[in-house]
Amino acid sequence: NAGVTQTPKFRVLKTGQSMTLLCAQDMNHEYMYWYRQDPGMGLRLIHYSVGEGTTAKGEVPDGYNVSRLKKQNFLLGLESAAPSQTSVYFCASSWGLAGELNVLTFGAGSRLTVL
Amino acid sequence: DQQVKQNSPSLSVQEGRISILNCDYTNSMFDYFLWYKKYPAEGPTFLISISSIKDKNEDGRFTVFLNKSAKHLSLHIVPSQPGDSAVYFCAATPYNNNDMRFGAGTRLTVKP
Repeated sequence: NAGVTQTPKFRVLKTGQSMTLLCAQDMNHEYMYWYRQDPGMGLRLIHYSVGEGTTAKGEVPDGYNVSRLKKQNFLLGLESAAPSQTSVYFCASSWGLAGELNVLTFGAGSRLTVL
Repeated sequence: DQQVKQNSPSLSVQEGRISILNCDYTNSMFDYFLWYKKYPAEGPTFLISISSIKDKNEDGRFTVFLNKSAKHLSLHIVPSQPGDSAVYFCAATPYNNNDMRFGAGTRLTVKP
């Protein structure tokens, strides 16, 4: 049982390049999330999805786009990477919103460096 | 606007002693509180949670205390073990809401 799988685990980009991070979950969770982790900042929500075909903005959405064409996949795109987007990105999923349903299962993370 | 704060970046304790990790929050709408543990090169994993209707929740060696009037929660680990060495994140969310906010984390080191 893989849980939440993120690819790639590491990536180095030059400023202005584009890329996509892929997240896949095999738990049939409805909700999926993309967070970024920066030193001293904790995890901050970028975008989330409440079901197949839906997406919504989180706390820090600028510079990112997402898509959820299939229930098990949630893609995070950077159209024109900037050094400020150097971070560790975590995908997460959950059953729902209320109480214990909102416990997040995280992937192992994707470390992105933008030069 | 950090609504969840963990003011101690690090904590070091001796094996067998108690570890106390603290967390403060500012948003009175937070209704559900969680602790996650993170090892290097892994994603955070859920540890324990507490609803705002309770003031204590216990799971084995781990106990979370909630003081709503002070907007403060703490995680107690007794006894601490070297395998508990990790970064601990406090998180909080309003009822039935996607907006889960995380603290910056506390790195716990348990010395043998």
